Amino acid sequence: DTEVTQTPKHLVMGMTNKKSLKCEQHMGHRAMYWYKQKAKKPPELMFVYSYEKLSINESVPSRFSPECPNSSLLNLHLHALQPEDSALYLCASSQGPGGGAYGYTFGSGTRLTVV
Amino acid sequence: GQQLNQSPQSMFIQEGEDVSMNCTSSSIFNTWLWYKQDPGEGPVLLIALYKAGELTSNGRLTAQFGITRKDSFLNISASIPSDVGIYFCAGRDNQGGKLIFGQGTELSVKP
Repeated sequence: DTEVTQTPKHLVMGMTNKKSLKCEQHMGHRAMYWYKQKAKKPPELMFVYSYEKLSINESVPSRFSPECPNSSLLNLHLHALQPEDSALYLCASSQGPGGGAYGYTFGSGTRLTVV
Repeated sequence: GQQLNQSPQSMFIQEGEDVSMNCTSSSIFNTWLWYKQDPGEGPVLLIALYKAGELTSNGRLTAQFGITRKDSFLNISASIPSDVGIYFCAGRDNQGGKLIFGQGTELSVKP
C-alpha cells in the first residue's frame, strides 16, 4: 500500500459546526503532515507529527486541532471555522521527519467549504 | 524565512514542444523535489534529487540539482495534453526537515 487516504473528499460545514478530517497511511511512515492549500497556490504547512508527537505547529489558529492516535492515523479537528478557512486540506507522510528516500507522499485532499 | 522563486508562473505551449521550469533559492537545500498537481488532487512526486549536481530522469522528465545547492530545474520533453497541471518545486533544508514549496508553474498544452 503506497497511498495516503483522506476522508471525506468534500466537506461543507457551518461556522458553528464541529467536524474532523481523517488521514491514514500504511506505509510505515513515521512523520505525518497537514497542509492547507488555496486555489493555484502552493501548499502551506500547518502541523508536523514525528513519531506520533507534534513537532511543528506553524502558528495555526486554535480552531484547528490536530491529533495523531497512532502511527497510521492523523486527524484534524475543526471547530468554529471562518469562511476564509475554505481550502483544500492535504495530508502527507514521509519515512521520517526529514522526508526519507521517497520524499513526501500526499493524499488527494479534503475540499472544505465553510458557509 | 526561506523562499523559493519558481519560474515561469505559467506556460502555454503546443503539444510536442519541450518545457523547462526552474526554482532558485537564497538558501542551501539538501533535497529538491518536483511535484505535479492535477485539479482537485494532491501533489504527486515526479522526481526527487538528493545530491548537488545530480541529474535524474523519469520518462520524458529530467531534473537537476544545481551544483550550488540553491537551484533546480525540470525539463519535460515532447509535451502531451496530459502534462497539463501545476508543477511545484520543493526544497528541504538541513534543519527540521520542513518542505518549502515554490509558487508553482501552471502548464497548459494545446493539442
